[in-house]
Amino acid sequence: SYVLTQPPSVSVAPGQTARITCGGNNIGSKSVHWYQQKPGQAPVLVVYDDSDRPSGIPERFSGSNSGNTATLTISRVEAGDEADYYCQVWDSSSDLGVFGGGTKLTVL
Amino acid sequence: QVQLQESGPGLVKPSQTLSLTCTVSGGSINSGSYYWSWIRQPAGKGLEWIGRIYTSGSTNYNPSLKSRVTISVDTSKNQFSLKLSSVTAADTAVYYCARVVVVGSLSRLWFDPWGQGTLVTVSS
Repeated sequence: SYVLTQPPSVSVAPGQTARITCGGNNIGSKSVHWYQQKPGQAPVLVVYDDSDRPSGIPERFSGSNSGNTATLTISRVEAGDEADYYCQVWDSSSDLGVFGGGTKLTVL
Repeated sequence: QVQLQESGPGLVKPSQTLSLTCTVSGGSINSGSYYWSWIRQPAGKGLEWIGRIYTSGSTNYNPSLKSRVTISVDTSKNQFSLKLSSVTAADTAVYYCARVVVVGSLSRLWFDPWGQGTLVTVSS
């Protein structure tokens, strides 16, 4: 089955840029989606189709995907961005949903 | 704006069957190109996809749970349901239902929106 690998944690100072990676075999050929989950809350979609933002998501959230790595970039990080972030793809060969293990973003 | 709400018992005994229902409001479960899915999250751990259903009744499940899972849909009630049999403590988790947006081929599917989640504890 398809595996997505994320770093367990990323730390960044307020106002700086956070980059959260999601690794997978030839992930650049897949469509990658990102979710933000704050404590006690359900996940919220923040980026879909590699780099598109749902309505209501700040432009500070962006995504890219190439080769074996997809990246969620959060610019001008704020305290309110502190959360767990999950990447996700759909394994079309087996019609299964796949999540990365999640990355905890800490705002210093 | 579509909203999803999970409901069901919060406590299930070991070896019994966990049953949850997701009620869809603000839109028809039949409308558009959507699947409907269940996802779970044990405390302090990551997200695990359980399975999905289309309103035709077509399903697919996570291979690790396939032998114990059944997802069904009741379009007349705008609901879909999850049954997980022979539960153990390892099945204790927050269970989420979510709409799966399907665009084009099977390579572009994502979850939006999600229900608020419901905690199910397996204990005697």
